[in-house]
Amino acid sequence: QQQVKQSPQSLIVQKGGISIINCAYENTAFDYFPWYQQFPGKGPALLIAIRPDVSEKKEGRFTISFNKSAKQFSLHIMDSQPGDSATYFCAASHRDDKIIFGKGTRLHILP
Amino acid sequence: DVKVTQSSRYLVKRTGEKVFLECVQDMDHENMFWYRQDPGLGLRLIYFSYDVKMKEKGDIPEGYSVSREKKERFSLILESASTNQTSMYLCASSGTSGGYNEQFFGPGTRLTVL
Repeated sequence: QQQVKQSPQSLIVQKGGISIINCAYENTAFDYFPWYQQFPGKGPALLIAIRPDVSEKKEGRFTISFNKSAKQFSLHIMDSQPGDSATYFCAASHRDDKIIFGKGTRLHILP
Repeated sequence: DVKVTQSSRYLVKRTGEKVFLECVQDMDHENMFWYRQDPGLGLRLIYFSYDVKMKEKGDIPEGYSVSREKKERFSLILESASTNQTSMYLCASSGTSGGYNEQFFGPGTRLTVL
């Protein structure tokens, strides 16, 4: 029940296309859903996060869509660029509890 | 610019050696975390600490211990390294509320145990 399931494990998208990464959770107590981005040789860094009181959050080309009833959330990267090639982790947490990370998605954007 | 630094980027040790991985943060954060990252397994929490001298087990604490003598420093110790501990180790820190606050990660230490 503490797991966050992330798919796909890897993704290849053409430059200019839309990249979509999906995550699902079981614990309805989760109330914070961040996405982290990790470039090779670097540690992960917070990209964007959402609380369940909204269904969508957009920051530039990055959008989180949140479906509370389905216990699912997804990251959409519009107009994907080669510089977006990285590993993406979805995550979830509840208040002061530790963050639970998904297993990650390796995204490669073809030039 | 906020910073989490780790003592080594690459480390090679032999089976049975005692290994120390050091992490220092300059953000005056209360919370610090150690994760290991393996392909296909994501980030798995080893230990975390909410305060000096305090430690909590994460999901995979077996074979590891930690030390937090100062607020800014969190050490991961492999008492007797084994080959299955070959991995990327990531340290992170966050502010007052561990779940809601952004975690800042160091660059990682790639440990190889021969």
